[in-house]
Amino acid sequence: DAKTTQPPSMDCAEGRAANLPCNHSTISGNEYVYWYRQIHSQGPQYIIHGLKNNETNEMASLIITEDRKSSTLILPHATLRDTAVYYCIVRLSRAVGFGNEKLTFGTGTRLTIIP
Amino acid sequence: DSGVTQTPKHLITATGQRVTLRCSPRSGDLSVYWYQQSLDQGLQFLIQYYNGEERAKGNILERFSAQQFPDLHSELNLSSLELGDSALYFCASSAEFTSGRYNEQFFGPGTRLTVL
Repeated sequence: DAKTTQPPSMDCAEGRAANLPCNHSTISGNEYVYWYRQIHSQGPQYIIHGLKNNETNEMASLIITEDRKSSTLILPHATLRDTAVYYCIVRLSRAVGFGNEKLTFGTGTRLTIIP
Repeated sequence: DSGVTQTPKHLITATGQRVTLRCSPRSGDLSVYWYQQSLDQGLQFLIQYYNGEERAKGNILERFSAQQFPDLHSELNLSSLELGDSALYFCASSAEFTSGRYNEQFFGPGTRLTVL
């Protein structure tokens, strides 16, 4: 799985868009970009994933550069409840049960939403 | 609520003891994963079970073992506990391919283990 680099911390004003960058310059052609977050000491929560096209769901948008070497997670209208550690993970998308679906978490970005 | 349950929520024990952590996956999920989160090591994968069979091992100590039962719940057994085993232990489960959300892992609330 490709290595990722994220800033250790970021602040964002409540109501503004939070843009969290991730570098994954060694990503291979069939590796996906996944984002999870962990609020305080709760279990990590899946946010979104993508391969090369931009993706959007009810939680966030994921913008992947054309060369796929970096991506940005966008929380469009950040609230205080979005304060969390955000993890960018790059790996193959694997069928469940084959024994290689583990998630490798880095140190993530600690996002603090400021009132 | 992810649908994954873990018990107990907190566990305090002494060095040298043995404990068992329990996980119930989401209904229908066959795959269960165990992760450990400590202050110095971050979130690390320990072991995976799929439909009762061990599928993958990560940085799991020999003092630790796990199993998945026919009803798909899983237990993580930690023995000869040391101070350094104090951590949050998370269980996650994963469904088969559905609508592009395959491989999403749903995490439980965790068990906080304190070894004194």
